[in-house]
Amino acid sequence: EIVLTQSPATLSLSPGERATLSCRASQSVSSSLAWYQQKPGQPPRLLIYDASNRATGIPARFSGSGSGTDFTLTISSLEPEDFAVYYCQQRTNSPMYTFGQGTKLEIK
Amino acid sequence: QVQLQESGPGLVKPAETLSLICTVSGGSINTYYWSWIRQPPGKGLEWIGYIYYSGVTYYNPSLESRVTISLDTSKNQVSLRLNSVTAADTALYYCARAGLLTKRAFDYWGQGTLVTVAS
Repeated sequence: EIVLTQSPATLSLSPGERATLSCRASQSVSSSLAWYQQKPGQPPRLLIYDASNRATGIPARFSGSGSGTDFTLTISSLEPEDFAVYYCQQRTNSPMYTFGQGTKLEIK
Repeated sequence: QVQLQESGPGLVKPAETLSLICTVSGGSINTYYWSWIRQPPGKGLEWIGYIYYSGVTYYNPSLESRVTISLDTSKNQVSLRLNSVTAADTALYYCARAGLLTKRAFDYWGQGTLVTVAS
């Protein structure tokens, strides 16, 4: 099973700042990595798929990068509504899906 | 607009079977993968398994011996059965859609239904 490790567990920033979230896979997942945002009481929302493609309706301040084992979600300038929990998720050809444990982005 | 709605009992006794239905509206079940994903209260996400519209299934190996996912295309419904439940199966259960356009990432989710396992 491929394990995804997200860091940091909690990130404290202010609106307007840049956020950089990391996801590391225990073995290569090529570009089969997605990022989700989850707010309290809501299901996850797809932000990025295939490592760097924004999903429909996702603002341009969200961007994803990486391949193989190291991936990054960047939020260029934080808006108040961006404070939430973020999960990465991979799918291999096995075709098992796994999620990272999440990064909580909180207001400083 | 595609919508997914989970339904089923909110309380299940230990050792019994958890049964949930996901009703899909605003779109077809065809050409998509339909997954069940769960989230214990205050914790992260765990993928349970999926069914492709053709009927092909794949389950998380950690749950495979207890899980069945099925499809009723006439009703646009996806079902989950989880046998021999314990308190560790208490969670918010989501159904979610994955398609080829998003490289099989989950682009639509239901709101989730909370299932508590207790006597």
